[in-house]
Amino acid sequence: GNSVTQMEGPVTLSEEAFLTINCTYTATGYPSLFWYVQYPGEGLQLLLKATKADDKGSNKGFEATYRKETTSFHLEKGSVQVSDSAVYFCALRGNTPLVFGKGTRLSVIA
Amino acid sequence: GAVVSQHPSWVICKSGTSVKIECRSLDFQATTMFWYRQFPKQSLMLMATSNEGSKATYEQGVEKDKFLINHASLTLSTLTVTSAHPEDSSFYICSGQGQGETQYFGPGTRLLVL
Repeated sequence: GNSVTQMEGPVTLSEEAFLTINCTYTATGYPSLFWYVQYPGEGLQLLLKATKADDKGSNKGFEATYRKETTSFHLEKGSVQVSDSAVYFCALRGNTPLVFGKGTRLSVIA
Repeated sequence: GAVVSQHPSWVICKSGTSVKIECRSLDFQATTMFWYRQFPKQSLMLMATSNEGSKATYEQGVEKDKFLINHASLTLSTLTVTSAHPEDSSFYICSGQGQGETQYFGPGTRLLVL
């Protein structure tokens, strides 16, 4: 079945550091890929998505590229801010509802 | 983006009682609603999928008689936890989907059963 594996957290970075959160997936067919973010005490918000191979999703300085050959959708940001502290979930959607990874908690310190 | 609300945001109840959680899509029609459960520091686990006017489809291992889901309109779905027990304590999150494939999530309801 479909599954998502993302790097274990927590990840702690200093402000302005470069961020990478790895995500790989297993799926039949051609799923859409998503990154969701959950800020403390809030629900999940869609951060970005990509619907086909080589698509790049981007939002708020975050980027992720749909790599079919490596079945990956790694999240990157060039310079993180304290306000980026949250839990990030990689997810995919094929012919089923969203399937989530376990989430990666990011803490950014000033 | 589209907004989904949940009520209540948190609830404490005694063991054996029932609790109802409401999920509303505020500015779009949610033809499909999803209910998830999230344990501390864990991912979201899909409990059930419901289409407006139809019976919900439950995931394997989820007791449909314990977690009653109603999706009576395109903007409202409810989850009722019947005869709640401490092991039902969790964070419950709903998600609505309209015509597109994007799911919009509510802020979640934290349930504590004493």
